[in-house]
Amino acid sequence: NAGVTQTPKFRVLKTGQSMTLLCAQDMNHEYMYWYRQDPGMGLRLIHYSVGEGTTAKGEVPDGYNVSRLKKQNFLLGLESAAPSQTSVYFCASSQPRTGYNDNEQFFGPGTRLTVL
Amino acid sequence: EDKVVQSPLSLVVHEGDTVTLNCSYEVTNFRSLLWYKQEKKAPTFLFMLTSSGIEKKSGRLSSILDKKELFSILNITATQTGDSAVYLCAVESGQGAQKLVFGQGTRLTINP
Repeated sequence: NAGVTQTPKFRVLKTGQSMTLLCAQDMNHEYMYWYRQDPGMGLRLIHYSVGEGTTAKGEVPDGYNVSRLKKQNFLLGLESAAPSQTSVYFCASSQPRTGYNDNEQFFGPGTRLTVL
Repeated sequence: EDKVVQSPLSLVVHEGDTVTLNCSYEVTNFRSLLWYKQEKKAPTFLFMLTSSGIEKKSGRLSSILDKKELFSILNITATQTGDSAVYLCAVESGQGAQKLVFGQGTRLTINP
């Protein structure tokens, strides 16, 4: 089991360029999430998905779009990158809650994105 | 607005010391509180707490939740250099997907 994988690991963009970050999970999880982590601010939820074909906005969705065409993949797109989007991006996945089991989120290794 | 605050933000101790990390929260529709350890890359899960006063323990780490006072602590006894990491507290609120609100993290450094 690879768990949660992310590609690419690093990327440098110029302002205005676009790119897509790919997240894949092999645990058959229903839920998937995209976070960004900035120094001193912890992780903040960008978008999430509760199943194939569904997406919803999180805490900081502006400037990002997402798609979940297959259950195992969750794509994060930046249409026109801005320096404020320089961050480390983490993908995570989890199963729906059933009672109070420890259905924690499993995180990928992250993508470090720099926008110049 | 949901809020999670961790303290201290940074802590440096010697190997063998015991440390206590704090997490306080203000959220609507509380469901659970989670602790993660983050070394160089992905956060890794430590504990999920849903009930007040019930301690969860894993080796030298333990954690407890107080839902009346809205806080949790993470204790690490007999610290080792491998415990050096950022410890993240997150709170799950609402229904449906497990939407987490994270604190800023506590950077723990264990000196030999």
